[in-house]
Amino acid sequence: DQQVKQNSPSLSVQEGRISILNCDYTNSMFDYFLWYKKYPAEGPTFLISISSIKDKNEDGRFTVFLNKSAKHLSLHIVPSQPGDSAVYFCAASARGGSQGNLIFGKGTKLSVKP
Amino acid sequence: DTGVSQDPRHKITKRGQNVTFRCDPISEHNRLYWYRQTLGQGPEFLTYFQNEAQLEKSRLLSDRFSAERPKGSFSTLEIQRTEQGDSAMYLCASSPKVRGYTFGSGTRLTVV
Repeated sequence: DQQVKQNSPSLSVQEGRISILNCDYTNSMFDYFLWYKKYPAEGPTFLISISSIKDKNEDGRFTVFLNKSAKHLSLHIVPSQPGDSAVYFCAASARGGSQGNLIFGKGTKLSVKP
Repeated sequence: DTGVSQDPRHKITKRGQNVTFRCDPISEHNRLYWYRQTLGQGPEFLTYFQNEAQLEKSRLLSDRFSAERPKGSFSTLEIQRTEQGDSAMYLCASSPKVRGYTFGSGTRLTVV
């Protein structure tokens, strides 16, 4: 039973437009959510996170939105750049993210076309 | 300190052989994690250390797997009697007392 779901395996957008990556979760005990970016042959790189006490967190071109009632979060990248092309993983934690394991989704491969 | 270091980057082994991977975390991070990632999946948690204590183990960590973190510094992950199903990317991550994982580049294991 997948607790963190990324239902879109891939997404293609034009450079300069908005990329929206979606993530759904089932465990209501999750209280901290993260997005990671992964290039081939490298480990995941932390992008942005959000605590369940917030509904939005912004960092430069990246914004994460959390809808707790829908158990849904999304990552917005504006404007998208070709260097953003990578696999994006959504992850969740039930213990504030400071210890213990993260539960990852399967990832969404983003392609940003020039 | 440039980040989390994993060695080797790639390992090809024959089925039935034992393999050992090493992870050197960021020096001030007291928490260390091992994850496994197979094709088309996200990373899956294997085990977690706080300093030298192994505090959590996943059901994925069968009896053939053992992890250690002597002296709370580097960690090793050993797989005994490897099987083809063990082929995966093994990722190590570390974090300080506050939030924020940093992953290494991983060790890609291929069992033939």
